[in-house]
Amino acid sequence: SYELTQPPSMSVSPGETASFTCSGDKLRERYVSWYQQKPGQSPVVVIFQDNKRPSGIPERFSGSNSGNTATLTISGTQAMDEADYYCQAWDSSTGVFGGGTKLTVL
Amino acid sequence: EVQLVESGGGLVQPGGSLKLSCAASGFTFSGSDMNWVRQTSGKGLEWVGRIRSKAKSYATGYAASVKGRFTISRDDSKNTAYLQMNSLTTEDTAVYYCAAVVTATFDSWGQGTLVTVSS
Repeated sequence: SYELTQPPSMSVSPGETASFTCSGDKLRERYVSWYQQKPGQSPVVVIFQDNKRPSGIPERFSGSNSGNTATLTISGTQAMDEADYYCQAWDSSTGVFGGGTKLTVL
Repeated sequence: EVQLVESGGGLVQPGGSLKLSCAASGFTFSGSDMNWVRQTSGKGLEWVGRIRSKAKSYATGYAASVKGRFTISRDDSKNTAYLQMNSLTTEDTAVYYCAAVVTATFDSWGQGTLVTVSS
């Protein structure tokens, strides 16, 4: 079965850039979405189709997808960005989520 | 405003069954694919399955972990999707979310409903 791999955690200081990676075989051939989930809340999409931002998502969130790795970048990270971030793609007709990366803003 | 409200969660014994509902409003339900995603306590998200829209022949798909035990259906006249869960095990204990594909991804999520499988 298809797998997406994410590092379990990362930390940044406020104002720094946070970069999340999501790795999968030939991931570039699939669209990747990214979801933010804060404690006790439902996930919210922050990037879809590799690099598109839904309305209401701040411009500091951006995405890319190349080779076997997709990347979510938060420029000028704020304390409110502290959350779990999950990547997601489709393998034929099966949805696949990465294991998630916990972002700590120190 | 797009809204998804799950219901039907609760405590069930191993081997039992449960049916979850997801009531939708604020978007064209009949034209949207509906997914179920679950999350065990403190763990990550797991896609459970989906049912596509009428235009896509109501096609369904399931994760290997639930295939043959879970069934997803929908009633477009009621703007509601369902998840029928049979032969439940303790490993099915999780918060179950429904998620709608309104544009191109899981755009909207419900608040989740907790399913606990325990004797």
